[in-house]
Amino acid sequence: GAVVSQHPSRVICKSGTSVKIECRSLDFQATTMFWYRQFPKQSLMLMATSNEGSKATYEQGVEKDKFLINHASLTLSTLTVTSAHPEDSSFYICSASKGSNEQFFGPGTRLTVL
Amino acid sequence: DAKTTQPPSMDCAEGRAANLPCNHSTISGNEYVYWYRQIHSQGPQYIIHGLKNNETNEMASLIITEDRKSSTLILPHATLRDTAVYYCIVRVARDDKIIFGKGTRLHILP
Repeated sequence: GAVVSQHPSRVICKSGTSVKIECRSLDFQATTMFWYRQFPKQSLMLMATSNEGSKATYEQGVEKDKFLINHASLTLSTLTVTSAHPEDSSFYICSASKGSNEQFFGPGTRLTVL
Repeated sequence: DAKTTQPPSMDCAEGRAANLPCNHSTISGNEYVYWYRQIHSQGPQYIIHGLKNNETNEMASLIITEDRKSSTLILPHATLRDTAVYYCIVRVARDDKIIFGKGTRLHILP
């Protein structure tokens, strides 16, 4: 099967710092990667869609200057939360698509901003 | 916005079949029905999908009504490991974007 990894699985940072989360497709080339955010007891909310080599498409209400997405290769996308604040504490999940209509999800990264 | 309606929670006894309903009355002819589940603090896991015919795989069965306005996911012999939030999603095959609704929290009772 298709495997997607995320690193780190957990991160704790101080308010005002930036945090980078990596999403990798381990055994396939991902034409498109997606980033989701999930607050406790809520559903996943799509933040943005990224295609390799092009700018990410952000969903309405998601600040592109705060959540920087880079999709430099067909197997790696990164999400950087800039100047993180406690309200950014959440579970961040990526998924990757290899051109079919199938998406494979990563295990998630739990961000805690103190 | 999600195009599906699901009950917020359900209970099922271990070893019994779990039947999870989903309403998608505004589904279009080119939209598939997908089911994912999310075990606590993990990423979502694909279960099954279908267009209009019933589908079965090693995890579950998907029953879609003839008018396609609703569907039921069936876990034939539920185990404690099936405790999760189950999401029913409709989307166009070529549209990669997945919009999650609130899902159904399934509790498997020992």
